[in-house]
Amino acid sequence: GDSVTQTEGLVTLTEGLPVMLNCTYQTAYSTFLFWYVQHLNEAPKLLLKSSTDNKRTEHQGFHATLHKSSSSFHLQKSSAQLSDSALYYCALSPGNYKYVFGAGTRLKVIA
Amino acid sequence: GGIITQTPKFLIGQEGQKLTLKCQQNFNHDTMYWYRQDSGKGLRLIYYSITENDLQKGDLSEGYDASREKKSSFSLTVTSAQKNEMAVFLCASKQGNERLFFGHGTKLSVL
Repeated sequence: GDSVTQTEGLVTLTEGLPVMLNCTYQTAYSTFLFWYVQHLNEAPKLLLKSSTDNKRTEHQGFHATLHKSSSSFHLQKSSAQLSDSALYYCALSPGNYKYVFGAGTRLKVIA
Repeated sequence: GGIITQTPKFLIGQEGQKLTLKCQQNFNHDTMYWYRQDSGKGLRLIYYSITENDLQKGDLSEGYDASREKKSSFSLTVTSAQKNEMAVFLCASKQGNERLFFGHGTKLSVL
């Protein structure tokens, strides 16, 4: 079946250091991959999405590249900010209306 | 822009009680979803609905019922609340291959 695996649990970073949150997936279908971000007491919202192999997509300083050969869609940012502290979800939508989420990675950025 | 409204924001129930959560969207989206959010387990799909009066089971449908009587609304019923259960239930909607829009959630506590 369809599944998404993310960097587990909590990632703690010092402000200014680079961010890398891993996401790999399994699906038999051509699919969209997404990153959603959820700040404390807010609804999850879309950060990035892609369906194009080897094309970098960017938004709000974050970027990710879908690599179909390795089934990966890692989230990166060159320099973490305190305001990046949030819960990040990787998700796939294999075109059959289902939307499958990973377990989520909590990012905590400290001064 | 549109909005997804979930009611109530907080729901306290008794063991064995039937509890209903409601979701309204004014995006005019066809597809709506109910997810359960537990720490460390990500967003798990309970039910989704492709259009009015359609219901599809997700991976976590046991113990829940759903109803989509109007395009704009999608309700979820916990058929028998489990003692000490605590979770957040998120409603979402989308159109086509576009992103999901989420509500702010209903926090359930069972005494």
